[in-house]
Amino acid sequence: QKEVEQNSGPLSVPEGAIASLNCTYSDRVSQSFFWYRQYSGKSPELIMSIYSNGDKEDGRFTAQLNKASQYVSLLIRDSQPSDSATYLCAVKWEDSSYKLIFGSGTRLLVRP
Amino acid sequence: ETGVTQTPRHLVMGMTNKKSLKCEQHLGHNAMYWYKQSAKKPLELMFVYNFKEQTENNSVPSRFSPECPNSSHLFLHLHTLQPEDSALYLCASSQETYTEAFFGQGTRLTVV
Repeated sequence: QKEVEQNSGPLSVPEGAIASLNCTYSDRVSQSFFWYRQYSGKSPELIMSIYSNGDKEDGRFTAQLNKASQYVSLLIRDSQPSDSATYLCAVKWEDSSYKLIFGSGTRLLVRP
Repeated sequence: ETGVTQTPRHLVMGMTNKKSLKCEQHLGHNAMYWYKQSAKKPLELMFVYNFKEQTENNSVPSRFSPECPNSSHLFLHLHTLQPEDSALYLCASSQETYTEAFFGQGTRLTVV
């Protein structure tokens, strides 16, 4: 089982819709959770970090964490064509290795 | 302007060459990371340094040799690479080991 799993997509949504991106992670003592956006040929850019159960909102983005279900999601409201990119979920484990492990990413396409 | 700077941005090297990748962070962070991103593969963690000490070597072949002389600089020395080592090499840093990581622009490496 992969440590961090994401559906590769592509997830296609019309402009103005809500895009929902999901991520599950393996059963370890996790600590920190992150969403990154990566445009083709570019490096990952941090969008959100979330450390405790519940929702965290930042502008059009909402991250949701459910540690009991080992599930973290990212909602993008009012999706724009410029949101079209690959979204990477990353998890840092609560041990001494300081690993930041990424999922394979979900490609999002926002249709004008 | 990014707080994490990588040089060179592009590198073409033969299999018998020796080259080095450089990463510098201007964010006052304590932890630094090397990642490899191959085409259609997830980000692979290679090395982690915390306060100049290597805390993780993710089973990386010895032809990749990291060096962290201080908390602001990280190098990846390359020698006798293989064509399959061609990839985007990304450096990242974080304030603490459990907080979000910020990436440099990456070095696109081609081994011929």
